[in-house]
Amino acid sequence: QVQLVESGGGVVQPGRSLRLSCAASGLSFTTYTMHWVRQAPGMGLEWVSVISYNGRFQDYADSVKGRFTISRDNSKNTLDLQMNSLRGDDTAVYYCASSYNFGDSFDYWGQGALVTVSS
Amino acid sequence: DIQMTQSPSSLSASVGDRVTITCQASQGIRNDLGWYQQKPGKAPKRLIYAASSLQSGLPSRFSGSGSGTEFTLTISSLQPEDFATYYCLQHNSYPLTFGGGTKVEIK
Repeated sequence: QVQLVESGGGVVQPGRSLRLSCAASGLSFTTYTMHWVRQAPGMGLEWVSVISYNGRFQDYADSVKGRFTISRDNSKNTLDLQMNSLRGDDTAVYYCASSYNFGDSFDYWGQGALVTVSS
Repeated sequence: DIQMTQSPSSLSASVGDRVTITCQASQGIRNDLGWYQQKPGKAPKRLIYAASSLQSGLPSRFSGSGSGTEFTLTISSLQPEDFATYYCLQHNSYPLTFGGGTKVEIK
């Protein structure tokens, strides 16, 4: 079955960096568009970033543009999110999610990784 | 950006009740809408895609309808396992946006 497993979460000070990873299995990773979605404690869902199946196209929410970078390694079936200049309002559970095409909704989700930005 | 207005933000219902949740898009999104269920501490799970298609393996008490700007998720007979928070997601254009969520609680 499809598994998306996030790793790399933790506690980080404001202004520092953190890198999240998502390992995919059970799906044809090289054909799927991949996303990051986050959820602040007690809040709703917020889309963060997308990368096309071949990595050529990326897009970001305004709230993270210029600070976060999404990337993928199709040879390893992994998705990454490099998060720089972290702020308190970046504190959230970060989910990786897949969509069959660039214009589709999310079909599979990981279990989430908690990122806490605090001094 | 497309804004998704979801209502109600919460509701109380009994087992067996019919429940309706709506999402309104700030501009037309065709049928580019999904519905998700999230239980505490868990990842969201897709219920409906393309506004009205039921995700494989899910019970038929869940249904979706709508197109353009007005969308509805209906649970025809609420079951104990359906108490959760529900979100709509528009995937017509980036940035993708979610509705604010509807928490369905036990009456």
